Amino acid sequence: EPEVTQTPSHQVTQMGQEVILRCVPISNHLYFYWYRQILGQKVEFLVSFYNNEISEKSEIFDDQFSVERPDGSNFTLKIRSTKLEDSAMYFCASSEAKLLTGELFFGEGSRLTVL
Amino acid sequence: GDSVTQMEGPVTLSEEAFLTINCTYTATGYPSLFWYVQYPGEGLQLLLKATKADDKGSNKGFEATYRKETTSFHLEKGSVQVSDSAVYFCALKAANFGNEKLTFGTGTRLTIIP
Repeated sequence: EPEVTQTPSHQVTQMGQEVILRCVPISNHLYFYWYRQILGQKVEFLVSFYNNEISEKSEIFDDQFSVERPDGSNFTLKIRSTKLEDSAMYFCASSEAKLLTGELFFGEGSRLTVL
Repeated sequence: GDSVTQMEGPVTLSEEAFLTINCTYTATGYPSLFWYVQYPGEGLQLLLKATKADDKGSNKGFEATYRKETTSFHLEKGSVQVSDSAVYFCALKAANFGNEKLTFGTGTRLTIIP
């Protein structure tokens, strides 16, 4: 069964360092998303991406964050200069159709720990 | 803004017990409502959904009814199994067409003991 894969599963980094989280969405999906969950808190929407551009982003997704689909298969989230409060589980998701009543397919998540 | 509040976990039940995980929401209009489940080592996956008031979503023995009057979407199962041990997330999608995001709750960890 097709699935969304994320790498790395866990990354530890020093504050101020750049981090890239990678995702391979399901191959025929057109819409891509990043969410995150800080420990003990809600899963929060970060950004949605379609047709090679951001279609919606939350107020969390500031200038430190960027997304890219560099090669038609990967979908990456870059955090330019990590802060302690960026420590969270980051989930990538994809969907075949626009999210009306459609289903999101999520990866297992990448845990980011900023020291 | 829109928000989802779900039952604090963790929840531990014996096999064959009745399960309820409460979920209430705040949103304008008629959002779509979802339950997602995350089994150990896997990504979140859609368990069931309801798109309008009084709809009942069901899957794998789980049910949830969209109650507009109480703004609730409680998850229920009559007889849980060890394999139901997972984290359960309630979520909504706002009614406006252009919106692309799901608003989630914190998740409820469920453990079923034999």
